[in-house]
Amino acid sequence: DQQVKQNSPSLSVQEGRISILNCDYTNSMFDYFLWYKKYPAEGPTFLISISSIKDKNEDGRFTVFLNKSAKHLSLHIVPSQPGDSAVYFCAATLYQGGKLIFGQGTELSVKP
Amino acid sequence: EADIYQTPRYLVIGTGKKITLECSQTMGHDKMYWYQQDPGMELHLIHYSYGVNSTEKGDLSSESTVSRIRTEHFPLTLESARPSHTSQYLCASSEPGSHQPQHFGDGTRLSIL
Repeated sequence: DQQVKQNSPSLSVQEGRISILNCDYTNSMFDYFLWYKKYPAEGPTFLISISSIKDKNEDGRFTVFLNKSAKHLSLHIVPSQPGDSAVYFCAATLYQGGKLIFGQGTELSVKP
Repeated sequence: EADIYQTPRYLVIGTGKKITLECSQTMGHDKMYWYQQDPGMELHLIHYSYGVNSTEKGDLSSESTVSRIRTEHFPLTLESARPSHTSQYLCASSEPGSHQPQHFGDGTRLSIL
């Protein structure tokens, strides 16, 4: 049973507009959430994270929102740039293990 | 930024061969991980280590084995490769603490003929 789900395999956005990537989870014990970005032929790179005690975390163009009651988080990128085109993975962790549980990823394409 | 290196980047090899995928990091991180990823799918944790002489199996069952004799080195071995082992293998490391982000290598894409 998949505990972290990214239901949109792909997303296409115009340069300068907002990109919104979504992630749902089922385990209410997750206490920390992370977003990773992955370019082809490279490993994932850490982008931004949020603790379950917060509902928003912002870092430059990237903002992550957490809705615990809905077990949903989203990553907002604004303004989107062509260099943001990549696969974005949502991940969650439990305090005890520290191990990451990943979603399937969403491929973002930002068109000039 | 963590420096973590995986070799080889690509490997095409025949069934039955013994394979070792190398992973090294220069940041002195105690925690290291191996993930397996198929195209369009999530990363699955197959092995992890919290320090020298410590190894544990991850959430996805794997026929591979790992060792952690030195802090910086976390190799993964397949004793007898099979086509079902074809996948991408990603190594990661992180600093102590449960909420430290993991830093990934660029992966090894393994194809077993």
